[in-house]
Amino acid sequence: RKEVEQDPGPFNVPEGATVAFNCTYSNSASQSFFWYRQDCRKEPKLLMSVYSSGNEDGRFTAQLNRASQYISLLIRDSKLSDSATYLCVVAMDSSYKLIFGSGTRLLVRP
Amino acid sequence: DVKVTQSSRYLVKRTGEKVFLECVQDMDHENMFWYRQDPGLGLRLIYFSYDVKMKEKGDIPEGYSVSREKKERFSLILESASTNQTSMYLCASSFPGLAGVGGEQFFGPGTRLTVL
Repeated sequence: RKEVEQDPGPFNVPEGATVAFNCTYSNSASQSFFWYRQDCRKEPKLLMSVYSSGNEDGRFTAQLNRASQYISLLIRDSKLSDSATYLCVVAMDSSYKLIFGSGTRLLVRP
Repeated sequence: DVKVTQSSRYLVKRTGEKVFLECVQDMDHENMFWYRQDPGLGLRLIYFSYDVKMKEKGDIPEGYSVSREKKERFSLILESASTNQTSMYLCASSFPGLAGVGGEQFFGPGTRLTVL
């Protein structure tokens, strides 16, 4: 079983739609959680951290459910520029390592 | 702006060749990482370094070695390239401390290596 699992998609949505991705992680000792974004043929970049209380950054909302070991990313009012692959990332506070999921691809159409 | 640069965007090598991939960062970061990214498998950590001359194996170190002689430079070496090492190689750097502190790694643009 992979440590971090994501639906690969693609999620194909119209502009203005709301879309949500989930990600599950297997190690209950995971302490820190992040979403990274990777545009086609580009490097990954940090989108946002995920806090236990949930957090929002503009149109993006991230949530953590420790009991069920999943995190989610909600994108409201999708823009064409949101088309990318979204990587779910977990870390143990005792480690230097980030553990990446294989990503969920989002396509936003006009 | 943090900048992480990699020596080549595209590289084609033959089986058995020794391959050097270079990574340089300009933010005085202690931590540096080498990943490979393959479709369906995501990013997998090959090696990382948290200080000059320090290195730690990641999840898939077999067939690779690394060198960190200067703080800003982290090199990945394929001692004898094989076709299953055809992949996208990404270098990253981060501030000192463990992954759970901040969590942001800054990536280079990647090197797409093809081994024939």
